Amino acid sequence: QKEVEQNSGPLSVPEGAIASLNCTYSDRVSQSFFWYRQYSGKSPELIMSIYSNGDKEDGRFTAQLNKASQYVSLLIRDSQPSDSATYLCAVNDGNNRLAFGKGNQVVVIP
Amino acid sequence: NAGVTQTPKFQVLKTGQSMTLQCAQDMNHNSMYWYRQDPGMGLRLIYYSASEGTTDKGEVPNGYNVSRLNKREFSLRLESAAPSQTSVYFCASSSGGIAEAFFGQGTRLTVV
Repeated sequence: QKEVEQNSGPLSVPEGAIASLNCTYSDRVSQSFFWYRQYSGKSPELIMSIYSNGDKEDGRFTAQLNKASQYVSLLIRDSQPSDSATYLCAVNDGNNRLAFGKGNQVVVIP
Repeated sequence: NAGVTQTPKFQVLKTGQSMTLQCAQDMNHNSMYWYRQDPGMGLRLIYYSASEGTTDKGEVPNGYNVSRLNKREFSLRLESAAPSQTSVYFCASSSGGIAEAFFGQGTRLTVV
């Protein structure tokens, strides 16, 4: 069974600091990788997608992909209270199957 | 822009009752998905449809059936609801292949 692992527990960061989230995946043929943000009681919202090795930046968010090591990470710079949410890592195997990790809760402390 | 629309938003069922969750997308997407989300379990794929006329099992298909009625609509049916099916159900759609998915607002289902 293809797995997506997000092992870190809840992450508390001071406002203005960097939040770092990690995700590993088991299927080497995975081709696309996503980070979703989910506020409590709401549906997941796409915030980043990455398809090739390296870094991709979008505003305060940076996604990093290393296919050789099978991990993808998300950095949130200058964290704001509005960033407090659960962040879900998702991996697409290229065959229309999108698998999710269990998510990491981020709490930004003012 | 409606995106992905799910109905109903909330539902309470008695054990053994049946119901169908409806999902429609207006983005001309090929692929559609049904997930369930339980506390501490993340999103688990129930069924997906890569294109109109095809459906495939996901990680947790037992107790569910699906129908890809046309390109826009993908329904999830519970034939005989059980308390273990109490969950939040999300429908999602994607243009297909390696593309990202977009989610509906969810259906909160309670089976008593």
